[in-house]
Amino acid sequence: AQKVTQAQTEISVVEKEDVTLDCVYETRDTTYYLFWYKQPPSGELVFLIRRNSFDEQNEISGRYSWNFQKSTSSFNFTITASQVVDSAVYFCALSYTGANSKLTFGKGITLSVRP
Amino acid sequence: GAVVSQHPSWVICKSGTSVKIECRSLDFQATTMFWYRQFPKQSLMLMATSNEGSKATYEQGVEKDKFLINHASLTLSTLTVTSAHPEDSSFYICSARDWGDSSYEQYFGPGTRLTVT
Repeated sequence: AQKVTQAQTEISVVEKEDVTLDCVYETRDTTYYLFWYKQPPSGELVFLIRRNSFDEQNEISGRYSWNFQKSTSSFNFTITASQVVDSAVYFCALSYTGANSKLTFGKGITLSVRP
Repeated sequence: GAVVSQHPSWVICKSGTSVKIECRSLDFQATTMFWYRQFPKQSLMLMATSNEGSKATYEQGVEKDKFLINHASLTLSTLTVTSAHPEDSSFYICSARDWGDSSYEQYFGPGTRLTVT
């Protein structure tokens, strides 16, 4: 069985602060994908990143960075110099490979960035 | 590329009526589509997986006769909520997987907000 745990439920920061969103996963598969999605108040899911289980390289995209550590089964997401527009719910998700493979979502973290 | 649309974006219906939600892949062929339900302040819960031309596979606890899913073409899947009740009010999101994409990524539609009065 697969499981994604996002222990933080709500985080509030002041603009320009850095913030890290934690994600811990469980799976018996050796090959899998990890995802982060952003869901702004409009409701539409915005894809942020996909990471293959064989690729443990950290990734940086602008103010966003991701730290993937298989040893601790974690895939954490850091926003540097947060902005009000970053306020949203962020979901971490896990999928095994295969045509009908399902996405298992964490419960989500509500991030509020105050001006 | 990889755009998924949903129609309608929001709908209000009376208790006891049925409502159909469409999910379309606009620029790719989707052999597999997924339907999720999201209650306020909760995560997405997978309702069913549908493959083009075959019956949908429902998750445990989802009523097949209440949530009818049809995936008649490679670009269209529909979810019909039959005899809707207020507790069916929710945000319904579909996603589609590109037949030619080996990454197994799901592309999400913008969601449909259903309110049953």
